[in-house]
Amino acid sequence: KQEVTQIPAALSVPEGENLVLNCSFTDSAIYNLQWFRQDPGKGLTSLLLIQSSQREQTSGRLNASLDKSSGRSTLYIAASQPGDSATYLCAVLDSNYQLIWGAGTKLIIKP
Amino acid sequence: NAGVTQTPKFRVLKTGQSMTLLCAQDMNHEYMYWYRQDPGMGLRLIHYSVGEGTTAKGEVPDGYNVSRLKKQNFLLGLESAAPSQTSVYFCASSYRSGSGGEQYFGPGTRLTVT
Repeated sequence: KQEVTQIPAALSVPEGENLVLNCSFTDSAIYNLQWFRQDPGKGLTSLLLIQSSQREQTSGRLNASLDKSSGRSTLYIAASQPGDSATYLCAVLDSNYQLIWGAGTKLIIKP
Repeated sequence: NAGVTQTPKFRVLKTGQSMTLLCAQDMNHEYMYWYRQDPGMGLRLIHYSVGEGTTAKGEVPDGYNVSRLKKQNFLLGLESAAPSQTSVYFCASSYRSGSGGEQYFGPGTRLTVT
C-alpha cells in the first residue's frame, strides 16, 4: 500500500532564507507527483506537477525534484517571503490511479 | 470558466440528519473525486467516478453515497450524519487518470456534525 510521508511536520524560518521541504513515498510505481499549497481555512492550490518520467519542475521561486527510484521528492523555495507561509502538501498518483496524500508541512516565514 | 465549485461552503448538522454536497465542474472532465481532510492528516479519497453514471469506492467510503447522473456534477450524500463525519470535504476533477491526470480542486465544504 502506497504511503506518503512529509518531514518535517512544521518548519519556521526567517524571511529571505532558502528552504527545502521533503516528501517520500513507499512505492515507486507512480504516474505523477504534485505539490500543493493550502492556506488556513482555504482550498488547495496546485503548485507543481512532475510526471513520472521527469526529474524536476520549476515555477518562479519554486523548484520541485523527483527521484522515483528512491521514492523522494523535494520542494525548494528560494528567498522565502512571509507570504509563503502556508501548509504544503505533496500527493502521488499511484498505480491504482488514486491520489495518495502526505499530511503536509506547515511552513511559517518570520518577517 | 468557474473551474470546480462546491455547494454549500459551510454546514452544521445534527447527528442522524442527512444532506447532499454538490460538486460541479465546467471543464468537461471525465473523472471526479470526493475527499475528506481531517486535522493533521492528508486528504483521503471517499468515492470517485470515471464517467457519467459510474462510481467507485475509495479509501473511506462507509457512511457516504455518491451519484454521477450528469458528467459535470458529482453528488456526495450523507444518509445519517455522525460526529465522525465532521471534516472538510473537497471535490476534484481531472481529464483522466494515468500519467497526465492533474486534479483540479474545489474550495471545500466545512461540515460540522453535533
